[in-house]
Amino acid sequence: DVKVTQSSRYLVKRTGEKVFLECVQDMDHENMFWYRQDPGLGLRLIYFSYDVKMKEKGDIPEGYSVSREKKERFSLILESASTNQTSMYLCAAGGGYTGELFFGEGSRLTVL
Amino acid sequence: QKEVEQDPGPLSVPEGAIVSLNCTYSNSAFQYFMWYRQYSRKGPELLMYTYSSGNKEDGRFTAQVDKSSKYISLFIRDSQPSDSATYLCAMSVGANSKLTFGKGITLSVRP
Repeated sequence: DVKVTQSSRYLVKRTGEKVFLECVQDMDHENMFWYRQDPGLGLRLIYFSYDVKMKEKGDIPEGYSVSREKKERFSLILESASTNQTSMYLCAAGGGYTGELFFGEGSRLTVL
Repeated sequence: QKEVEQDPGPLSVPEGAIVSLNCTYSNSAFQYFMWYRQYSRKGPELLMYTYSSGNKEDGRFTAQVDKSSKYISLFIRDSQPSDSATYLCAMSVGANSKLTFGKGITLSVRP
């Protein structure tokens, strides 16, 4: 099975700070994804990447950017954190022929 | 109409009950159907995966797809407290396509 590791499980940041969320996968998948999950709103796709240095906007990219310099690593960046970005962030790898995804354990971000 | 609709819940059942979780969808191009289970403070994990219409069984779990009605179901037999989790349906049109998720339903199985 694909293992997806998110470096930080819990973070507390202040409004205006720059925030980096790191994600690493160990199965050589081309596709990686960043979602946020909020009560009542479900999973919403922020950005995804089909290859190194390639990125595409998901459904809610505003306020976020991403970086994929190596195939195994996909970073989510909040340039200037705001309180409405308090959420659970989930990284995933996979897609392939069926679209099946493997998720990390999530990073719970609180912005004060 | 949202692409994927899932009963919002929450759902609470006694141990041993049969549980039925359902999703409807509007995009007839969906070919691959999945159920993910998410325990509290964890990421979702793939529980069941089905291609096109039909049933698939894995232990106490049965996934059912009716493409003519655009309706999928997950049945849990002899439910256990360890089945308490959020269940998300997900579907895709196929190769390298994005998954579209339902919002999830939280199930609680009472001992």
